[in-house]
Amino acid sequence: AQSVTQLGSHVSVSEGALVLLRCNYSSSVPPYLFWYVQYPNQGLQLLLKYTSAATLVKGINGFEAEFKKSETSFHLTKPSAHMSDAAEYFCAVRKNSGGYQKVTFGTGTKLQVIP
Amino acid sequence: KAGVTQTPRYLIKTRGQQVTLSCSPISGHRSVSWYQQTPGQGLQFLFEYFSETQRNKGNFPGRFSGRQFSNSRSEMNVSTLELGDSALYLCASSRDGETNTGELFFGEGSRLTVL
Repeated sequence: AQSVTQLGSHVSVSEGALVLLRCNYSSSVPPYLFWYVQYPNQGLQLLLKYTSAATLVKGINGFEAEFKKSETSFHLTKPSAHMSDAAEYFCAVRKNSGGYQKVTFGTGTKLQVIP
Repeated sequence: KAGVTQTPRYLIKTRGQQVTLSCSPISGHRSVSWYQQTPGQGLQFLFEYFSETQRNKGNFPGRFSGRQFSNSRSEMNVSTLELGDSALYLCASSRDGETNTGELFFGEGSRLTVL
């Protein structure tokens, strides 16, 4: 079965500091992995996706994630946090279900940016 | 290109009533998925429709149902509402087929409050 685990339901960083949000996946085959962001009172928006083309994936708003098969990880990073990055972030994996693809989300990590 | 549209955005119901939520996917997207989001349970998959057929279903009671129309618009219905049904209901559409990487495009959600 394919699933994702997000470590830390809440993460606080100072403005300008490194953002690191952790995601580990369990999969017996190379997965399709995603990071989504949700701002208050909004739906989810795709930040970036890994589809096996490159291990380092760059997304929107300066975020990037590195697929590490040896660690079964897909952590999200941003070199310098901005106040506008405060949101909830979800890691997700696409998996087969009944012959079709289904996307399963992690429990989410709320990012707080301290001025 | 218009995004995913969900109506209504906010609604208040009382226990025992029923509710119908609507979702219009991005033009050309034939897959529509529904998720329930609550602070305690996070994002939980309800069901997915493709070409008017339900092809994936989450672990929710039969009070939760849905359908999809020939124009890919989808509705979900919750009957005999309970307090625990208070949540943000998110709809997401996606392309389908060989080139589909699983990216979901979300609407802003319908926030249901059950009193």
